[in-house]
Amino acid sequence: AQKITQTQPGMFVQEKEAVTLDCTYDTSDQSYGLFWYKQPSSGEMIFLIYQGSYDEQNATEGRYSLNFQKARKSANLVISASQLGDSAMYFCAMREPYSGNTPLVFGKGTRLSVIA
Amino acid sequence: GAVVSQHPSWVICKSGTSVKIECRSLDFQATTMFWYRQFPKQSLMLMATSNEGSKATYEQGVEKDKFLINHASLTLSTLTVTSAHPEDSSFYICSARETGTGQGYTFGSGTRLTVV
Repeated sequence: AQKITQTQPGMFVQEKEAVTLDCTYDTSDQSYGLFWYKQPSSGEMIFLIYQGSYDEQNATEGRYSLNFQKARKSANLVISASQLGDSAMYFCAMREPYSGNTPLVFGKGTRLSVIA
Repeated sequence: GAVVSQHPSWVICKSGTSVKIECRSLDFQATTMFWYRQFPKQSLMLMATSNEGSKATYEQGVEKDKFLINHASLTLSTLTVTSAHPEDSSFYICSARETGTGQGYTFGSGTRLTVV
């Protein structure tokens, strides 16, 4: 079964508008971590935001916020005031359990295109 | 912040030859390094987990004799693609987490391998 599901292969957003990228996850662990990464065409993986399973408040990092709904097992990324430079692939990832050196498991990604 | 230096950035090689990719943690000790492969327009797929001083753990379907991983020191892990074939052409990227400093995983900049 897929651990991380990103149902939007591609999204378009107007510059300066907000956009939500969907992510749902599957785990039976109580302790886990959720991540979002941005991958521009150069290939580098840029860390955006992190949410721990025990964090009660939604994570925020500048224009990025994570809408964490634990009961629904969703961790959507919200980008506010989109910029042309936000055009890239966005990956949701999970680390479980939240201990030791376990690898990240990635979703299939969403390609975001910001339109001027 | 933590930096992982990955070399080369890109490489073109002939079928049947071997290629070595290096990932070096510059300012922290990476006891564990994760190696991923990414085909065009696809997600990152974990290939193997390397631990300093011990044998790597390979994911199902990854040929350990073809993808040799060495993690001889706390700052260097290498992936050697042996007897490369065109189907091995892909984007290879490594990742490590600096223990005790937070939740972020640091990624190398990736290596684009083309086998002709």
